[in-house]
Amino acid sequence: GQQVMQIPQYQHVQEGEDFTTYCNSSTTLSNIQWYKQRPGGHPVFLIQLVKSGEVKKQKRLTFQFGEAKKNSSLHITATQTTDVGTYFCAGDNYGQNFVFGPGTRLSVLP
Amino acid sequence: EAQVTQNPRYLITVTGKKLTVTCSQNMNHEYMSWYRQDPGLGLRQIYYSMNVEVTDKGDVPEGYKVSRKEKRNFPLILESPSPNQTSLYFCASSASGTFYSYEQYFGPGTRLTVT
Repeated sequence: GQQVMQIPQYQHVQEGEDFTTYCNSSTTLSNIQWYKQRPGGHPVFLIQLVKSGEVKKQKRLTFQFGEAKKNSSLHITATQTTDVGTYFCAGDNYGQNFVFGPGTRLSVLP
Repeated sequence: EAQVTQNPRYLITVTGKKLTVTCSQNMNHEYMSWYRQDPGLGLRQIYYSMNVEVTDKGDVPEGYKVSRKEKRNFPLILESPSPNQTSLYFCASSASGTFYSYEQYFGPGTRLTVT
């Protein structure tokens, strides 16, 4: 079945450094979603990418969807302590089942 | 306030004792789903429902049942819980499109321990 992988599993950065997490699917996706989960919380939607090669920005966060719609990335510029949490990508199988990646846990040292 | 609610939030039970975790949403969403979250494995989909009376298996459906008799409710049933079902469970809902779904709203989670 469809598999979604994410790397790295963990990332420790100094506040102010940049951070990137990568998401790769074994199959072509109709779209991809990104979520953030703070420690002890529930996943919260960040963004959805639909088009091949799409790039979207939210303040310090930049999201990309690969040309083949099989990979994606999330880049955070100049991390802050409020960015701490686990970032998940989720592949959408044409409006049916979702497959989440295992997540990248980000810790930011002040 | 738009939200997804789950009950109970915490549950400790014994092997074999049937239990139900309720999930309700107030956003008139067609799509609802159950996930379990385990360390290092991320979120794995158990069951999902595209609309009332329409349910389908996700990646890890064994040992679980669901029903969707009303649009707003999507209970998760464990008829004979076992220790390997100890996990953090999330319910989620979203509007659904023809070719892809929209953002998912997650409930606060239910931490289940089966001894």
